[in-house]
Amino acid sequence: DAMVIQNPRYQVTQFGKPVTLSCSQTLNHNVMYWYQQKSSQAPKLLFHYYDKDFNNEADTPDNFQSRRPNTSFCFLDIRSPGLGDAAMYLCATSRGTGSGANVLTFGAGSRLTVL
Amino acid sequence: RKEVEQDPGPFNVPEGATVAFNCTYSNSASQSFFWYRQDCRKEPKLLMSVYSSGNEDGRFTAQLNRASQYISLLIRDSKLSDSATYLCVVKDTGRRALTFGSGTRLQVQP
Repeated sequence: DAMVIQNPRYQVTQFGKPVTLSCSQTLNHNVMYWYQQKSSQAPKLLFHYYDKDFNNEADTPDNFQSRRPNTSFCFLDIRSPGLGDAAMYLCATSRGTGSGANVLTFGAGSRLTVL
Repeated sequence: RKEVEQDPGPFNVPEGATVAFNCTYSNSASQSFFWYRQDCRKEPKLLMSVYSSGNEDGRFTAQLNRASQYISLLIRDSKLSDSATYLCVVKDTGRRALTFGSGTRLQVQP
């Protein structure tokens, strides 16, 4: 029944040790987003894909990369996590066109801890 | 100035009270507006879209004031289960992505 699934839900890593977070969707939505949310702050958009078209936010650090091998899956790679990267990482999808084009459906999030 | 600004609260209200939140946005070309609800340590979930003429969904009423560039959310007859953070979300013309406010926390007390 779940529509946007993120794995893992909790990830603990060491300073500088790469991590990969995954997101899959069963909604067949065109757009997939990665947001970073720190405590008591707004979700901050890192990047998004419209189909295969990748869009990076200007202030997203190079340390963050993303892949979308197909419509259903999207990955967030953090190449060298720092203490400041500890956060909740939220994957979201939207239709992109038509009715409700901009309504976001979120996954449950992946909470990253950096030691 | 932040693109989307909200009073962080917390708003502490008794059960049954009526409470209202405002959210201001900086881009006059913004075209779509939403309220999302986020429970502690959970993901945001769509509460309601905000239409130009205003719209209501049960105890919740959303209004848009383009001239003053703000949207509002009114909750009537507050329930304990309404306790959450309410996020204002705006989509600008020409941008595909949405911008979130940092949220207003509501605590409904027995």
